Amino acid sequence: DSGVTQTPKHLITATGQRVTLRCSPRSGDLSVYWYQQSLDQGLQFLIQYYNGEERAKGNILERFSAQQFPDLHSELNLSSLELGDSALYFCASSVGGGGGRETQYFGPGTRLLVL
Amino acid sequence: EDKVVQSPLSLVVHEGDTVTLNCSYEVTNFRSLLWYKQEKKAPTFLFMLTSSGIEKKSGRLSSILDKKELFSILNITATQTGDSAIYLCAANTGNQFYFGTGTSLTVIP
Repeated sequence: DSGVTQTPKHLITATGQRVTLRCSPRSGDLSVYWYQQSLDQGLQFLIQYYNGEERAKGNILERFSAQQFPDLHSELNLSSLELGDSALYFCASSVGGGGGRETQYFGPGTRLLVL
Repeated sequence: EDKVVQSPLSLVVHEGDTVTLNCSYEVTNFRSLLWYKQEKKAPTFLFMLTSSGIEKKSGRLSSILDKKELFSILNITATQTGDSAIYLCAANTGNQFYFGTGTSLTVIP
């Protein structure tokens, strides 16, 4: 158990809908990262927040957005869902904001299925 | 374009064999190289490498980084069925982690 929690574990929804995924980082960690893992794309970095501020952006679609709240938990919002958004969404956390010598600890993931 | 490439894509071995997994990277502002093991759930951290030539070891697993040739290897000796997993490597550039697609290792009893 990494100490990172994610809810829900599974989510099934229809195309065009909007969902919110939630992540709580390990105690003491200030950074939260979001990743999407699909069978054909591997693990893709979406976005990073550090202490409430956006720190880095990866391959995140405009239909997706995220935020980190004062208690450091984070939410990833996915809207106008398409079939291709079906994937495993991981959240990870680390102590600091980057610097290149930090380890990320991953949550158990949320499996999203869009029908 | 920043990228991380792992090889082989897939590997099937017998228990007791030794395996070597490869990870090459081309990223700007490289800071560190990380290895993760992913079974049916979230990736779990194995090693972080920042300096060339210094081997990191944990039980039967070891890893080394070559910053001149831009690659890392992960060795697993005396493999066991519990080593069956996908092994991911990632290059850290400070704010971003670039992951390879992974090597799927299957260890047959």
